[in-house]
Amino acid sequence: NAGVMQNPRHLVRRRGQEARLRCSPMKGHSHVYWYRQLPEEGLKFMVYLQKENIIDESGMPKERFSAEFPKEGPSILRIQQVVRGDSAAYFCASSPHRTAPWWGYTFGSGTRLTVV
Amino acid sequence: KNEVEQSPQNLTAQEGEFITINCSYSVGISALHWLQQHPGGGIVSLFMLSSGKKKHGRLIATINIQEKHSSLHITASHPRDSAVYICAVTGNQFYFGTGTSLTVIP
Repeated sequence: NAGVMQNPRHLVRRRGQEARLRCSPMKGHSHVYWYRQLPEEGLKFMVYLQKENIIDESGMPKERFSAEFPKEGPSILRIQQVVRGDSAAYFCASSPHRTAPWWGYTFGSGTRLTVV
Repeated sequence: KNEVEQSPQNLTAQEGEFITINCSYSVGISALHWLQQHPGGGIVSLFMLSSGKKKHGRLIATINIQEKHSSLHITASHPRDSAVYICAVTGNQFYFGTGTSLTVIP
């Protein structure tokens, strides 16, 4: 799964700062998905993007969180004014298609955000 | 109640044992996925199922659509199989189980 690149791997932010998480999908993949894994909890879907479009943001918190996938460059998950409860692992996945064939669905290694 | 339930939560096995992890779901789905998360945190997609059974090496995944149940089997388990196994379903949106933590002891 090294094809989906997430950076940074670890990010420490003080309360109130902004966190920017980057995801570069696999070459040829135009669909990006962000997930959050809270401590002791499972993965939760946050947002699904295609290039320059947000397709489904039903899992995104209503405030402070935003995501983009510009025409050029990586997808960015932005968290403004971070709070302790934002501490989690954030995973990005990419696929060449919205649905099947799902074997093209590849995860990145995640960004571990710690808010102090 | 979670839309996806996995059991057991934790599992310890001796090397060579046959392992089964179960997943039940309560929503309508278009596909079910088994994911593997290694201690370093990386996630690998193992299987996507919409019916029947799939096999990849020592891993076998089955799904019963009528019973809304899937199982992941590992034959001849090995310490390198130690990981968290996550069941996920896709319907109107994505739902994930909380994972089964597997430790295989040499």
